[in-house]
Amino acid sequence: GAGVSQTPSNKVTEKGKYVELRCDPISGHTALYWYRQSLGQGPEFLIYFQGTGAADDSGLPNDRFFAVRPEGSVSTLKIQRTERGDSAVYLCASSLKTGLNTEAFFGQGTRLTVV
Amino acid sequence: AQKVTQAQTEISVVEKEDVTLDCVYETRDTTYYLFWYKQPPSGELVFLIRRNSFDEQNEISGRYSWNFQKSTSSFNFTITASQVVDSAVYFCALSEERAGKSTFGDGTTLTVKP
Repeated sequence: GAGVSQTPSNKVTEKGKYVELRCDPISGHTALYWYRQSLGQGPEFLIYFQGTGAADDSGLPNDRFFAVRPEGSVSTLKIQRTERGDSAVYLCASSLKTGLNTEAFFGQGTRLTVV
Repeated sequence: AQKVTQAQTEISVVEKEDVTLDCVYETRDTTYYLFWYKQPPSGELVFLIRRNSFDEQNEISGRYSWNFQKSTSSFNFTITASQVVDSAVYFCALSEERAGKSTFGDGTTLTVKP
């Protein structure tokens, strides 16, 4: 696709429910990143994939958060038993490869609101 | 651990004024990259520049310029002759050599008034 696509753009869910957020990276990009951005703050790293495997998941806040990328393209961020504190914009980015000299392209994010 | 500090939370200028956004970083690595991103109201992060730790040359791109000073761990961004369309949140970010992830500052909200 032309850019990184994230769906849905907005998601409102009740506390305790399960949600899935989807990211379609730019075609051919092997690296994919998930960030979380709370109001008034910068994006905070959650996890990144190189191909199908999670190369670094050190940013996932707890075991309620999980992400997959089974075919090395689309990724899904899954949040179980959502809490009000999970409300934030979830950003996805992709790059051609992992490494410093590669530009990451961001999607427009999914705004998650837990009520 | 790496850290990025953007001390200016909000800046307001009048169109055509010059404005500088400050960024100070901390890292133990000798090889790293610094970035600036623009986030307009639509929410998408737009890449502006990437600079590696071995290249301290200042860079100019149109009305934008960047000043990297390793001695003070700073990577400041200047917009010359600001325009209303420059209004956005600007983020500075740091990536270390072996990390795929970036650490972002909390951003500076720039408002350019006509």
